[in-house]
Amino acid sequence: DAKTTQPTSMDCAEGRAANLPCNHSTISGNEYVYWYRQIHSQGPQYIIHGLKNNETNEMASLIITEDRKSSTLILPHATLRDTAVYYCIVGVRSGANNLFFGTGTRLTVIP
Amino acid sequence: GAVVSQHPSRVICKSGTSVKIECRSLDFQATTMFWYRQFPKQSLMLMATSNEGSKATYEQGVEKDKFLINHASLTLSTLTVTSAHPEDSSFYICSAQGGNDYGYTFGSGTRLTVV
Repeated sequence: DAKTTQPTSMDCAEGRAANLPCNHSTISGNEYVYWYRQIHSQGPQYIIHGLKNNETNEMASLIITEDRKSSTLILPHATLRDTAVYYCIVGVRSGANNLFFGTGTRLTVIP
Repeated sequence: GAVVSQHPSRVICKSGTSVKIECRSLDFQATTMFWYRQFPKQSLMLMATSNEGSKATYEQGVEKDKFLINHASLTLSTLTVTSAHPEDSSFYICSAQGGNDYGYTFGSGTRLTVV
């Protein structure tokens, strides 16, 4: 019951922007788009989330299309430490609802 | 920000023994916690939803008698792997809901190796 589709892997040159796409065509009106990343053998780390407006924080920017069927996570200046698996997840913010993890995108930042 | 502490970070146990993993919300109360399992090169798979003061809800295919979950307080949930076998070797991760404006905070995970 995957709710999102992401490319399996991507490479990005160090210092350049990394743009990670995600399709979520069946997203419901009350579902947010979350992005987490997982560095090897660690728990998932929160990056950013949004409902319908574009969002920016100290880690990344999130661009959500007007129809909310897809989004893009942007890491403006990728570093080697950004190498990780990035998960795009849709879910509600409250209630006893877990976050369903798809396969994610393995981002490799190349020196 | 919200912090979820998970212990131990790694454990090695003998086949047939039991192992307890703790998940604590350090600066917020978590009515609901989630337990995930992750095998090598795979994504996180939800095992169960833990609710404070009530029985956990297990996902299909997860043996509730083997993976005992206790959520006795608003800041602590435990997962006990009973009679562990080598096939239970995996990375176990907990998640707590609350404490921030995005809702979900994850622990650092526990690497269980059963020998």
